[in-house]
Amino acid sequence: AQKITQTQPGMFVQEKEAVTLDCTYDTSDQSYGLFWYKQPSSGEMIFLIYQGSYDEQNATEGRYSLNFQKARKSANLVISASQLGDSAMYFCAMRENSGYSTLTFGKGTMLLVSP
Amino acid sequence: DAGITQSPRYKITETGRQVTLMCHQTWSHSYMFWYRQDLGHGLRLIYYSAAADITDKGEVPDGYVVSRSKTENFPLTLESATRSQTSVYFCASSPDRSSYNEQFFGPGTRLTVL
Repeated sequence: AQKITQTQPGMFVQEKEAVTLDCTYDTSDQSYGLFWYKQPSSGEMIFLIYQGSYDEQNATEGRYSLNFQKARKSANLVISASQLGDSAMYFCAMRENSGYSTLTFGKGTMLLVSP
Repeated sequence: DAGITQSPRYKITETGRQVTLMCHQTWSHSYMFWYRQDLGHGLRLIYYSAAADITDKGEVPDGYVVSRSKTENFPLTLESATRSQTSVYFCASSPDRSSYNEQFFGPGTRLTVL
């Protein structure tokens, strides 16, 4: 079974609008971290936002916020006021305390922001 | 330069040749990782290392060899390259194994095996 599922291969949004990128996860660990990375066309992996499993409040970083619903095992990324520079591939990832303690990635969502 | 670097950034090789991809980090992070990125698969872990001289296999280790004689370096070797190893390879590092710590990624190496 996939540990990280991103069901939206591609998303379109108009500039200045908000967009939500979906992510669901599967783990039996009590302690884990959820991460979102952005990969623009230049190829580098850019860390955006982090949510800990014990964090009671949703994480926010500027225009990025993470809608964390622990019971549903979802960690959706919300980008407010989209900009043209937000066009990129977005990856949701999880790091568990057990096993390799590495990052398990979803397959990504390609976001295109139109003027 | 501070951070995590990879070399070469681009490499074209032929089937059967040995190729080594280099990764260097300046933070003295204990953990280092190698991932490959393929369309439709996201990033998949090849090998990781918890410290110098400690390495272990990830999800897709076949055809790859790693070593870590120094904390700052984590080379990845394809002993006999195959076309299926054409991919983008990312090295990453992390200060420890805590789930609260992000991993810092290098810029990637685009490898083509002809």
